Amino acid sequence: DTEVTQTPKHLVMGMTNKKSLKCEQHMGHRAMYWYKQKAKKPPELMFVYSYEKLSINESVPSRFSPECPNSSLLNLHLHALQPEDSALYLCASSQVIGGRASSTDTQYFGPGTRLTVL
Amino acid sequence: GENVEQHPSTLSVQEGDSAVIKCTYSDSASNYFPWYKQELGKGPQLIIDIRSNVGEKKDQRIAVTLNKTAKHFSLHITETQPEDSAVYFCAASAPSGTYKYIFGTGTRLKVLA
Repeated sequence: DTEVTQTPKHLVMGMTNKKSLKCEQHMGHRAMYWYKQKAKKPPELMFVYSYEKLSINESVPSRFSPECPNSSLLNLHLHALQPEDSALYLCASSQVIGGRASSTDTQYFGPGTRLTVL
Repeated sequence: GENVEQHPSTLSVQEGDSAVIKCTYSDSASNYFPWYKQELGKGPQLIIDIRSNVGEKKDQRIAVTLNKTAKHFSLHITETQPEDSAVYFCAASAPSGTYKYIFGTGTRLKVLA
């Protein structure tokens, strides 16, 4: 089973709202990722968690706040977003081989949350 | 910086024909190359991958070839079916410690019935 689930599927929010995206996997993967994908573009990496610790923040604005409560869950807290933040937000996970996450680990993506900021 | 060029950007084929998508990477240290299929409104789905110690890998109608010297890798889909219509992304592993994939720009494949 290589399933990553994400909720909600769709989210519409105003610029003053606070919302959260959720991601879950039960494959025993110890690396989890958030990506942002605009229409007709490849996914762009935002954050990487390895063993529940933030390993990479790709210079993402502070209005996006990730959280990894345990090895199966990943959240993305949203606050004071801008209309240009509207996109498909993808979660992915990968097995950590050799005790350290690596770009040679296979990443499995969830279905995404379609976010619209009004 | 590292980049991956992907061609063509769009590809239309008749059902039953073959489709080939090509990618070229810049970082000779890249050693893992996954391919993802993304259908409309869905997340990317891994369809095949290859590591640098192998020159070719096949899974039913899908195959990937890797030429490390030329820094090229290609996706081959034979006997295409309408359900193969999607956007395909190639990717290459970025330098060690970065956790990143360098994605190509995507190819929109249309299989005409």
